[in-house]
Amino acid sequence: KAGVTQTPRYLIKTRGQQVTLSCSPISGHRSVSWYQQTPGQGLQFLFEYFSETQRNKGNFPGRFSGRQFSNSRSEMNVSTLELGDSALYLCASSYTSGGYTDTQYFGPGTRLTVL
Amino acid sequence: AQTVTQSQPEMSVQEAETVTLSCTYDTSESDYYLFWYKQPPSRQMILVIRQEAYKQQNATENRFSVNFQKAAKSFSLKISDSQLGDAAMYFCAYKGGSEKLVFGKGTKLTVNP
Repeated sequence: KAGVTQTPRYLIKTRGQQVTLSCSPISGHRSVSWYQQTPGQGLQFLFEYFSETQRNKGNFPGRFSGRQFSNSRSEMNVSTLELGDSALYLCASSYTSGGYTDTQYFGPGTRLTVL
Repeated sequence: AQTVTQSQPEMSVQEAETVTLSCTYDTSESDYYLFWYKQPPSRQMILVIRQEAYKQQNATENRFSVNFQKAAKSFSLKISDSQLGDAAMYFCAYKGGSEKLVFGKGTKLTVNP
């Protein structure tokens, strides 16, 4: 089974621009979560989608948004980019949502650099 | 809110030796899962091992095992017969009733030949 894929792998943007990152979960997985990883803050939860619905959201400004499609693929969007948005964005998928049992499997990440 | 603490920012071990990485967590939930993830320099986060809180038996996966002390809220990872490929950042993570994982800051493991 193919793993979680993320595109693009690397992205360079300038302040004020917006960006869209894509994540394709493992086949059969219906839950997709997004995390931001920075040297200073570590790994922080952004949001989680299940069956096209946002089920959980982290403590990030409204500039960060996401969505999930009927095929479980997910996108996250960051508008009005700031220098502090430079980070590795990780996507993780799991089979279901709302339960304790599911293990999240991660993609390789998208490295976003904001200049 | 749940928190996860990894008190060792860096650790090193000689090849073929054993090393233990520490993790403590804070929660008021009774049902939860704990995980160790490995992130090599290539950045792909890989699941190493997971432990269900309701299980008393410690999880093992080949050379990797955990020491889960629920009352002490401690969840350490032991790597036996360390190999060069074990060099990576190791993250301890907690998952309770919400869908999100709460991560520790990580421990960078160096394996010396």
